[in-house]
Amino acid sequence: DVVMTQSPLSLPVTLGQPASISCRSSQSLVYSDGNTYLNWFHQRPGQSPRRLIYKVSNRDSGVPDRFSGSGSGTDFTLKISRVEAEDVGVYYCMQGTHWPRTFGQGTKVEIK
Amino acid sequence: EVQLLESGGGLVQPGGSLRLSCAASGFTFNKFDMSWVRQAPGKGLEWVSTVGESGRSTYYADSVKGRFSISRDNSMNTLDLQMNSLRAEDTAVYYCVGGTATMPYWGQGTLVTASS
Repeated sequence: DVVMTQSPLSLPVTLGQPASISCRSSQSLVYSDGNTYLNWFHQRPGQSPRRLIYKVSNRDSGVPDRFSGSGSGTDFTLKISRVEAEDVGVYYCMQGTHWPRTFGQGTKVEIK
Repeated sequence: EVQLLESGGGLVQPGGSLRLSCAASGFTFNKFDMSWVRQAPGKGLEWVSTVGESGRSTYYADSVKGRFSISRDNSMNTLDLQMNSLRAEDTAVYYCVGGTATMPYWGQGTLVTASS
């Protein structure tokens, strides 16, 4: 199975400051169709996950442009340019290239 | 507006069975693979199973293979998960998810508790 390793697992941030989450996969996530199926999700307490970013860097409709995704192969990053209060919660990376689908452990973002 | 409404969760004794259902609307159901993803209390996300657009292809996590069965009805826009031989470690919120490679759509989840 492809292991997805996120860091850090806990991220205290100051409002208005940038934040960055790393996600590394144990195998390349490039699929035979040329796409890289690395996605990012955000889960607020008591809510279901919501997709933010798909295929590395594509932002979903309604997702603020302070969120950006980057990376390639096995090394990926989610960045928040200026953290806002509504950004708290847990962020997960997930790979959709290989079976079984696998998620990172989650990174809990909280306000300092 | 996309909606995925799960039902069927509840309390079941270990070794028992439960059938989850998901009613989908707001997107072209038969053009999407459909998946179940679960989340144990206080834990992370775990992919459980996926069924292809036509229903012919199915995939399972090793942890549920041989015990769970996924199916869909494209005429009714519904997704099901038959869960047999339930174990305490199957206790989780089960999310109905549209897609598999990118998972754009998520339901609100239904809680399954396997406990005596």
